[in-house]
Amino acid sequence: EPEVTQTPSHQVTQMGQEVILRCVPISNHLYFYWYRQILGQKVEFLVSFYNNEISEKSEIFDDQFSVERPDGSNFTLKIRSTKLEDSAMYFCASRQSSYEQYFGPGTRLTVT
Amino acid sequence: QKEVEQDPGPLSVPEGAIVSLNCTYSNSAFQYFMWYRQYSRKGPELLMYTYSSGNKEDGRFTAQVDKSSKYISLFIRDSQPSDSATYLCAIQTGNNRKLIWGLGTSLAVNP
Repeated sequence: EPEVTQTPSHQVTQMGQEVILRCVPISNHLYFYWYRQILGQKVEFLVSFYNNEISEKSEIFDDQFSVERPDGSNFTLKIRSTKLEDSAMYFCASRQSSYEQYFGPGTRLTVT
Repeated sequence: QKEVEQDPGPLSVPEGAIVSLNCTYSNSAFQYFMWYRQYSRKGPELLMYTYSSGNKEDGRFTAQVDKSSKYISLFIRDSQPSDSATYLCAIQTGNNRKLIWGLGTSLAVNP
């Protein structure tokens, strides 16, 4: 069964460093999302991406963040100059044209 | 005003019990209601999806939406230890179908 994959499963970085979180969505899906979940808090929408551009972004998704689909299969989230409060689980999701979003297992980002 | 509220529990029940999980929401315009299940160290997995009001049943699971009271429920009949997980309600909204989430309820079903 096709699934969304994410790498790495756990990333530790120092404050101020840049990180790239990688996702491989399901191959025939058209819509892509990033969400994050800070420990003990709700899952939060970050950004949606369709047709090679951002279709919607939340207030959280400021200039520190960027997304890219560089090669037609990977979907990446870049966080520049990481802060302690960026520590969270980051989930990638994709969907075809229907309502159902399929989620990856997440990347746990720890900023020290 | 918080958009989706969900009691985080934890909830602990004996095997075979009927489980009731609930969320409330604030925006009466919401129409697409989802229940996700999340096992430890995994991403959320869609369990049930309901459009507008009413009930939807899938095996041991029933999703219910009461738009008049802005209340959504998930019932699990004959609960099994394998049902032990975190259950998250979510509302799909907007042209891009982003999800707005509840906090999740941690459920333990004890053999």
